[in-house]
Amino acid sequence: AQSVTQLDSQVPVFEEAPVELRCNYSSSVSVYLFWYVQYPNQGLQLLLKYLSGSTLVKGINGFEAEFNKSQTSFHLRKPSVHISDTAEYFCAVSVQGGSEKLVFGKGTKLTVNP
Amino acid sequence: ETGVTQSPTHLIKTRGQQVTLRCSSQSGHNTVSWYQQALGQGPQFIFQYYREEENGRGNFPPRFSGLQFPNYSSELNVNALELDDSALYLCASSPGGAQGNTEAFFGQGTRLTVV
Repeated sequence: AQSVTQLDSQVPVFEEAPVELRCNYSSSVSVYLFWYVQYPNQGLQLLLKYLSGSTLVKGINGFEAEFNKSQTSFHLRKPSVHISDTAEYFCAVSVQGGSEKLVFGKGTKLTVNP
Repeated sequence: ETGVTQSPTHLIKTRGQQVTLRCSSQSGHNTVSWYQQALGQGPQFIFQYYREEENGRGNFPPRFSGLQFPNYSSELNVNALELDDSALYLCASSPGGAQGNTEAFFGQGTRLTVV
């Protein structure tokens, strides 16, 4: 079975500061990795995904994430956040060669303050 | 190209009742997955349909059932509602292929409240 741990439930930062949202996963088989964002009263939107190749993945809205296989981590980063980045962020995995089932972490609430 | 649409957006039901939630998948997508998101939690996988057949199920009791139609739209049915079924129910569609590497597109969800 797969599991995803998001180490911080809430992350408050000031506008234009850098941010890192941490994600660790556990799986006995190879997985694909995803970060989704959820704005209030909305569904989830894909920020970025790691399938293979370069371990540094760039996504939408200036976000990037780095896959570290030895540490089973997939941390999300942004060098300078905006007020509009305030949202809930979810890390998720799916099994390679499996179905499209996603296993999500509990989420990290990012609050960007002026 | 239309996105994933879910109906209704909000619903209030009484414990013991039955409910049907609906999802129209994105054009060209043959795979639909349903997730339950309780307050303050991440989405939990309920089940998935691929070309009208169930293609995986999470740890949910049999009173959670589903259906996928020839046009790939889908329904989620929940019988004998319990208070703990109160949650946001999310539908996601994807192009399929059952490889786990395609993007899932989510609808805005149905907020179910059981009283």
